[in-house]
Amino acid sequence: DVQLAESGGGLVQPGGSLRLSCVGSGFTFSSYWMTWVRQAPGKGLEWVANIKQDGSEKNYVDSVKGRFTISRDNAKKSLYLQMSSLRAEDTAVYYCAGRGFYFQYWGQGAQVTVSP
Amino acid sequence: DIQMTQSPSSLSASVGDRVTITCRASQDISNSLAWYQQRPGKAPKLLIYAAGRLESGVPSRFSGSGSGTDYTLTISSLQPEDFAIYYCQQYYSTPRTFGQGTKLE
Repeated sequence: DVQLAESGGGLVQPGGSLRLSCVGSGFTFSSYWMTWVRQAPGKGLEWVANIKQDGSEKNYVDSVKGRFTISRDNAKKSLYLQMSSLRAEDTAVYYCAGRGFYFQYWGQGAQVTVSP
Repeated sequence: DIQMTQSPSSLSASVGDRVTITCRASQDISNSLAWYQQRPGKAPKLLIYAAGRLESGVPSRFSGSGSGTDYTLTISSLQPEDFAIYYCQQYYSTPRTFGQGTKLE
């Protein structure tokens, strides 16, 4: 079975940093673009960032550019999201999603709460 | 950025009803459109991709159509498990934006 499992969420103060991880199994992780999608409480889905198979291309939504960094380690079948200068509006459930540009696979989500 | 606008935002329906949800893109997205279903507390689930292709394992009562800027998701006969929130998403260009969602209740 295909699985994506996020970890690393938690409570952080405004201006702080956090690193999310996502481990994939049951599919050829290295063959696909991977994406982070977030969902603020009671709100809709927001595409955050994606990364090409070999890590050579990365894209971000404007609201996180310069603050978030997406990366991957194909040997570990892992996707990462390094988040810094966090703001209250970054509070959300963060989903790891794959494969390609629409999302067949989703993780269970990691809660990130930014609060004093 | 391409803006995706869904209508209606919410929809009241009953088991057995036929329902249609519309998604309009701010520019031509050449059928690069997916539909997702999200139940409370769960991750989204892919239903339709390429505007009209049914994802494996998704019941055939779900169908998608459209072209250019206008797309629809149709559920031919609502089942109890279909009451959820539905999102469209364009993957024609980055950022790969979602619609605001349609709550089916």
